[in-house]
Amino acid sequence: EIVLTQSPGTLSLSPGERATLSCRASQSVSSNYLAWYQQKPGQAPRLLIYGTSSRAAGLPYRFSGSGSGTDFTLTIDGLEPEDFAMYYCQHYGSSLFTFGPGTKVEIK
Amino acid sequence: QVQLQESGPGLVKPSETLSLTCSVSGYSISTGYYWGWVRQPPGKGLEWIGNVFHTGNKYYKASLKTRATVLMDTSKNQISLRLSSVTAADTAVYYCVRAGTGYYLDVWGKGTAVTVSS
Repeated sequence: EIVLTQSPGTLSLSPGERATLSCRASQSVSSNYLAWYQQKPGQAPRLLIYGTSSRAAGLPYRFSGSGSGTDFTLTIDGLEPEDFAMYYCQHYGSSLFTFGPGTKVEIK
Repeated sequence: QVQLQESGPGLVKPSETLSLTCSVSGYSISTGYYWGWVRQPPGKGLEWIGNVFHTGNKYYKASLKTRATVLMDTSKNQISLRLSSVTAADTAVYYCVRAGTGYYLDVWGKGTAVTVSS
C-alpha cells in the first residue's frame, strides 16, 4: 500500500509570497493519478490539480503542480488571502485512493 | 451541474450500524464514474472509505473492508454507506464524492457530521 507524506506540516507565509508544498510517495506512482485538494475550515475539500499538473476548471493560474516518480509539488505563486487553508495530495492506484496528511498554509 | 447531498442520523450508538445516503442530482449514476465516501474525523485529515463503479464493482480501504458497504440505487439516483459495529473512532464528517475518469475526486458533497456516542 502506497503511503503519501506531505511536508512541511505547516507553512507560515505572508500574502504575495510563493508557497511550495511537497507530497512524497513511498514508492514510484503514476503521475496520471496524483491530485491536490484545498480545504477551508467548515467546508468540503475542493479539487485543485489532477494528473499532477492539470488545473481544475476555474482555478487561478497562480496554482501549479509538478513532479514525477515519488516527488510531487504544489506551488502557489503569490499567495492571496483566500489561499490560506489546508492542502491534501491524493493518489489512486490498485483500485485504492490514498490521501496525504495535509499541509496547512497559514498567515505569518 | 452535478450536486451531491448527504443525509442520515447525526448520532449513532456504539456497536450499531451507521447508515448514510447520498442523493445525486445533475447526473445519472448508472451512466459512469466512481461514486463513494470519504470521511474526516474532527481535527484530522481525509480518509477514503470506499467506492462503487457504475458497473457495480466495489472497492474499499483495507482496514474498513469488513465493516463498510457502499451501495448504488439507480432507481433513486442515490448511493449509500453502511458502516457496522461503529465505535467512537468512527466519529467524523462523511463526504459523498464522485471520482472522475482520472480517479480524482472532482465533486464533493457538503458533508454530514456523525457522532458515535451512547
